[in-house]
Amino acid sequence: DAGVIQSPRHEVTEMGQEVTLRCKPISGHDYLFWYRQTMMRGLELLIYFNNNVPIDDSGMPEDRFSAKMPNASFSTLKIQPSEPRDSAVYFCASRLAGIGYEQYFGPGTRLTVT
Amino acid sequence: QKEVEQNSGPLSVPEGAIASLNCTYSDRGSQSFFWYRQYSGKSPELIMSIYSNGDKEDGRFTAQLNKASQYVSLLIRDSQPSDSATYLCAGSGGETSGSRLTFGEGTQLTVNP
Repeated sequence: DAGVIQSPRHEVTEMGQEVTLRCKPISGHDYLFWYRQTMMRGLELLIYFNNNVPIDDSGMPEDRFSAKMPNASFSTLKIQPSEPRDSAVYFCASRLAGIGYEQYFGPGTRLTVT
Repeated sequence: QKEVEQNSGPLSVPEGAIASLNCTYSDRGSQSFFWYRQYSGKSPELIMSIYSNGDKEDGRFTAQLNKASQYVSLLIRDSQPSDSATYLCAGSGGETSGSRLTFGEGTQLTVNP
């Protein structure tokens, strides 16, 4: 089975531009998570969805960040406008519902904002 | 207090030795624990999960859980240079974490040939 798919793998953009990151979870998984990883702050949970519904977005840094999950097989994380401090690796992960079900990560998108 | 704390490392062991990675957690209601391995420039890869007190072995890896002490560990036997990576401990299912994973900051392991 295919794992979590993310695109693009690398994104370089200029400050002020809109950035859209995409994720396709593992088929059949009920939960989808967006993370950001930097050297300074480690791995941070931004938002997660259950059955396409956002459950906890308390990790979203500010209003410039938004995430959607229009269906069970697709999610987007959008940054508008982007800033240099948004440069990081963004991971998407998914898992089945229930205690103990394991979470699997996608390959990540490395975002550089100049 | 951080929800999940790992021995910060970095940890360096010679090839063939046992590497011991430790993790403590604060949410006593946490039910599931996971160890992820992350190579530089790659995504976290799940290598072990443990839900019950005691040991769980998988090849060269042994995870240990002690819920009374709120302690999780990962032992890597016969360490190989290919085990050099950052290891992340994570917990879930507690009152604080719920359905999400709470990660420690990671321990960087280097296995020297």
